[in-house]
Amino acid sequence: DIQMTQSPSSVSASVGDRVTITCRASQGISSLLAWYQQKPGKAPKLLIYAASSLQSGVPSRFSGSGSGTDFTLTISSLQPEDFATYHCQQTNSLPFTFGPGTKVDIK
Amino acid sequence: EVQLVESGGGLVQPGGSLRLSCAASGFTFDTYAMSWVRQAPGKGLEWVSAISGRGANTYYADSVKGRFTISRDNSKNTLYLQVSSLRAEDTAVYYCAKERTTMLREPFDPWGQGTLVTVSS
Repeated sequence: DIQMTQSPSSVSASVGDRVTITCRASQGISSLLAWYQQKPGKAPKLLIYAASSLQSGVPSRFSGSGSGTDFTLTISSLQPEDFATYHCQQTNSLPFTFGPGTKVDIK
Repeated sequence: EVQLVESGGGLVQPGGSLRLSCAASGFTFDTYAMSWVRQAPGKGLEWVSAISGRGANTYYADSVKGRFTISRDNSKNTLYLQVSSLRAEDTAVYYCAKERTTMLREPFDPWGQGTLVTVSS
């Protein structure tokens, strides 16, 4: 199975800050990497697919990059509604494993 | 609008069984693979199982293989997960999710609201 790691596990930031989260795969996954946002008590929401493609309806302050084993999610200017947990997922091969999540909270 | 609505969760004793359901609407159900993903309290997401659009192919995580069975009834636009021989570590919110497109190796969008399975005596 492909193992996914994320760093940091949590980050404290202020509104307007630029936030970057990294995700690493234990083996190459091409660009088959997705990012999800999850708020407490809610289902995950797809933000980014194919490493860098913005899902319809997602604000342009979210962006993704990377390929192979190393990926990043960037929030260019953090908004109040962005405080949440972010998960990466590889869809290169089954099982479609997730990273452990990164919690973004208010500084 | 695409909607996924799960049901069937509840409190069950160790060794017991449940059948989870996911009612789908707003898309051509039999053209999309579907998955179940679970999240234990305070933990991360774990992919559990997937099924192809016509139901011919099924896939399972090692942690549930032999105990869980995924199926679908395309005439009813409904996805199922039969969970059996339940253990305390199966306690989680179970989400159903649709693949983003009909291509292979796609992420999940959208997800249902989840149904909670609690395994406890």
